[in-house]
This record gives sequence, C-alpha cells and structure tokens, in this order.
Amino acid sequence: AQKVTQAQTEISVVEKEDVTLDCVYETRDTTYYLFWYKQPPSGELVFLIRRNSFDEQNEISGRYSWNFQKSTSSFNFTITASQVVDSAVYFCALQVSGSARQLTFGSGTQLTVLP
Amino acid sequence: AAGVIQSPRHLIKEKRETATLKCYPIPRHDTVYWYQQGPGQDPQFLISFYEKMQSDKGSIPDRFSAQQFSDYHSELNMSSLELGDSALYFCASSPVLTGTSGANVLTFGAGSRLTVL
Repeated sequence: AQKVTQAQTEISVVEKEDVTLDCVYETRDTTYYLFWYKQPPSGELVFLIRRNSFDEQNEISGRYSWNFQKSTSSFNFTITASQVVDSAVYFCALQVSGSARQLTFGSGTQLTVLP
Repeated sequence: AAGVIQSPRHLIKEKRETATLKCYPIPRHDTVYWYQQGPGQDPQFLISFYEKMQSDKGSIPDRFSAQQFSDYHSELNMSSLELGDSALYFCASSPVLTGTSGANVLTFGAGSRLTVL
C-alpha cells in the first residue's frame, strides 16, 4: 500500500520569506511518481510538478523548487520569496506504475502568506 | 487550452435524495477519475474509467455508481444521500499511455460542491 505524509498541517510566513513544505512517502514499488498540487481558496486542484522515481535531479521553476531524495523517501517543495498569492493548500501525491494511475494524496499543508 | 469540465458546480440536496454529477474530460484524454474531498480532508479516490470500462475502484460507497460514455464523458450517480456525502467532488482526466510505464498527469476539474441538508 502507498502512503504520503505531510506532517505540517499549517504554515504561516510573512511575504518574501522562503518556506519549505515537507513530504514523505511510502511505497514498495520501485517505479513510482511524485506530484505536487496546489489548491487555492477557490478550490480547484492545480498541477505543479511530476517527478519519477529514477530522476533524483532537483528541479527549479521560477520561485518554486523541489528536492527529491530517495534515501529519505522525501519530496520537499520550497517556495522562495513567498507572495500572498501563494496562500493555498498544497498536496503531495504518489502514483505507482502499473496501477490504474490514481493518486494517493497526503493530508495537505495549508500555507498562509501574510502581507 | 481546454480543461476538465464539471457540472454542476454547486448542488444542494436533501437526505435520501439522488444526485448526478457530470464530467467532460480534456479531448483525447480517455481515462477519467473521480475523487471525493470532505471538508479539511485530502482528496480520496473513488473510481476510474479507461476506454469506458471501469479500471479501478477505491473507497466508493455502494450507494454510488459511475460510468463513462461513448463520448468519454462520465457521470457519478449518488443515491440515498447522507449528510456525510457533503463534499467537493473532483473529476480528473489523463491521456492514454502505451504500455504500463510512464505517469499519467491527472488534470482536475474545478470540482462540484455537494451539500446534503
């Protein structure tokens, strides 16, 4: 069975601070994929990134960066110079290869960026 | 770009009533997923369809049923509604992949918010 843990339920930062959202996953599959989705107050789920288990290269996209470490089963997400518009719930999710491709979500981290 | 379309966006029902949610996937996406997100919860997988056939089943109550039609749109039917069914229901779609390797990126619709009174 798959499991995703986001230990941080809520985080508050002041605008322009950097913030890291933690994600730890469990799976026995050797091929799997990790995702981050953003859920703003409007409710939709917005895809941010996908990473496969064979690619531990970190990725940067603008103010967003992701650190994937198989040794610790972690896929952390950092927002640099946070902005008020970053306020949302962020979900980490796991998908295993060969399954019907559904995602197993973590419980989410509510990020509040204060002006 | 076309997105996943869900209707209705909001729905209010009484206990024991029936509700139907519709989902129109992105064109050329032939896998559809349904998720239920209760207040303050993470999305829970209900059911998925590939090429109009059920491909996997999650924590979907027996009171719920779903299908995918020939035009690839999907409907989630919920009967004997209970207060606990109040939630945001997401539909997502993904493109077909050849073989079993590779990841489907699920694109989610805006959700249908069901309130059961």
